[in-house]
This record gives sequence, C-alpha cells and structure tokens, in this order.
Amino acid sequence: GESVGLHLPTLSVQEGDNSIINCAYSNSASDYFIWYKQESGKGPQFIIDIRSNMDKRQGQRVTVLLNKTVKHLSLQIAATQPGDSAVYFCAENMNDYKLSFGAGTTVTVRA
Amino acid sequence: DAGVIQSPRHEVTEMGQEVTLRCKPISGHDYLFWYRQTMMRGLELLIYFNNNVPIDDSGMPEDRFSAKMPNASFSTLKIQPSEPRDSAVYFCASTRRGQGYGYTFGSGTRLTVV
Repeated sequence: GESVGLHLPTLSVQEGDNSIINCAYSNSASDYFIWYKQESGKGPQFIIDIRSNMDKRQGQRVTVLLNKTVKHLSLQIAATQPGDSAVYFCAENMNDYKLSFGAGTTVTVRA
Repeated sequence: DAGVIQSPRHEVTEMGQEVTLRCKPISGHDYLFWYRQTMMRGLELLIYFNNNVPIDDSGMPEDRFSAKMPNASFSTLKIQPSEPRDSAVYFCASTRRGQGYGYTFGSGTRLTVV
C-alpha cells in the first residue's frame, strides 16, 4: 500500500505486505528529518531519522528515503504487522532543536 | 528511566477556570518542548526551553497561555482563563543536545474545557 501524505491521510494494508508512507516537506534548508509513530492514546514515538546529506537509511523493518530534489520523504515498513497500525508523522528540523510536524497518515493493517 | 512524565492524564474544567499542566522531563535532557495536538491543526509547537530558559514561544496562542521551567526537572503550562477552543491533547517532550532530534514524548494531558 502507498499513501501520498497530506492528500491521502489514510493507508490500509494487508498484514505481511510492505507499506509506503509519503511526506512532502516544506523547507529546503531543513537538515534533519524524523519519522514518528503514534498509537491511540499515546504520545508520538521516535522511529527513525535521516540527515539531509543522506538518501537512505535503514532500521529494523523500516527504511527512510529522502529526495531533496522534490522535497519528499518516505517511510517503508517491511512485512507490516498488526502492531504497526498507528498514525505516522514526518517531521523536519527548522532550526536549533525545533521540529515541524506533518499532518500524519493513519495506517490500518488488515488481518 | 521512567520517561517523560505528564500530569494529569485527563483534565475537565469549566470555561474561565485556570488550568495547570505539569511535566517532568527525562533526567539529563536539556531541551523541553510543549506541543498541542488537535484534529484540525495537528501537532503544534507552543514553546520550548533549553537549560530552563524559554527559547521560542512564538507558538503560544495568546496571553492566556504561559509556561515556566523553574528547574531542570519540572515545567508547567498554564492557561488562564481557559476557553472551550483550548480543548486538545497537550504533550511535553524532551531531548538532549548531541542525542539527535528524536524527542521523547510524554503520554499527554487530554484537556476538555466545557
């Protein structure tokens, strides 16, 4: 399954499939990008980050891709599990330690 | 570590009353952030502190909102007088310089103003 972030804020994916969550960021001067996961009733939780001098970074079952040319960020989740159901936010560093968050994409995993 | 601790978890108050939200950051963290989350506006940064000093309060909606950080282990966000449009989930987050930009968020305070 694939979303286009702000224009399609929900994503339904079959358990076991790969998920792709997209995000368009606004500031070409941002040097740091982060993905957060927020489960119902909880605060956002850090997933993975990437610096602007990188194109790709991998974590456990997650990969973040950065395309600075079109100011686009994506989060790929491999073998999506029911526990991956949540709202996913991208965030960009504005200055100092100040982050600006995107609107979020709701991911629902179908059994 | 117990993480970022916020209290209360839920607060229901009447319009015009004073509301105080509390936050204990992770020990050793020198940045503290207050965010507000609503369906309409998403996650908005209200104010952040570095070494207990307010650095940027440009997100504070109006004079009814104030925040303090009297020491490294405690911060408050006060709304006086509260209004129904202040109803939201308020999050506190902290991080440490050199640790990166991955904040640790608290569980939030759900505020309802009736």
